[in-house]
Amino acid sequence: EVQLVESGGGLVQPGGSRRLSCTASDFSFGNYWMSWVRQAPGKGLEWVANIKEDGSEKNYVESVKGRFTISRDNAKNSLYLEMNSLRGDDTAIYYCGRVKAAAHIDFWGQGTLVTVSS
Amino acid sequence: SYELTQPPSVSVSPGQAATITCSGDAFPKKFAYWYQQKSGQAPVLVIFEDYKRPSGIPARFSGSTSGTTATLTISGAQVEDEGDYYCYSTHPNGNQGVFGGGTKLTVL
Repeated sequence: EVQLVESGGGLVQPGGSRRLSCTASDFSFGNYWMSWVRQAPGKGLEWVANIKEDGSEKNYVESVKGRFTISRDNAKNSLYLEMNSLRGDDTAIYYCGRVKAAAHIDFWGQGTLVTVSS
Repeated sequence: SYELTQPPSVSVSPGQAATITCSGDAFPKKFAYWYQQKSGQAPVLVIFEDYKRPSGIPARFSGSTSGTTATLTISGAQVEDEGDYYCYSTHPNGNQGVFGGGTKLTVL
């Protein structure tokens, strides 16, 4: 069964940095685009970023461009999200997702909470 | 920026049909997808590529598109179908994703 497990969430001060990880199992990780989606407390889903199978293409939502970097290590079946210059409105549960047909997420992790606060 | 527009809430009685719409200028050029999210849980895909159902999703869930509107229909909604529903698609000019604002479905 496909499994995605996020880690790295926690409390971080405004202006700080955090690196999220997502470890995948039970599927050929290197054959799929992957994505990050976040959900602020009590709010809707917001697509954040995605990355092509070989890492050659990356896309970001406008609000995180220049601050967040998505990356992957196919040898370790792992996806990452490096977050810098964090702000209060980055507070959210961050979900990792497997992308099917380079379009939609067909499997989701359970999420990791990032709280940006002093 | 590209946006998908959903009604904030829909309410039906058990056994009635629930219809949730999603407006986006890129439909039908781009596919519509629908996710169900219950409180405290990760989203679950219920419709992909406009009308297809993943395995394990009940047949009462169906999707369609007409012009620039995608529609999720739950025929004979049940109490267990309550939750938030999000439409999703990709940007008309690239591979960025976008979610609609979400619709809270109440069945009572």
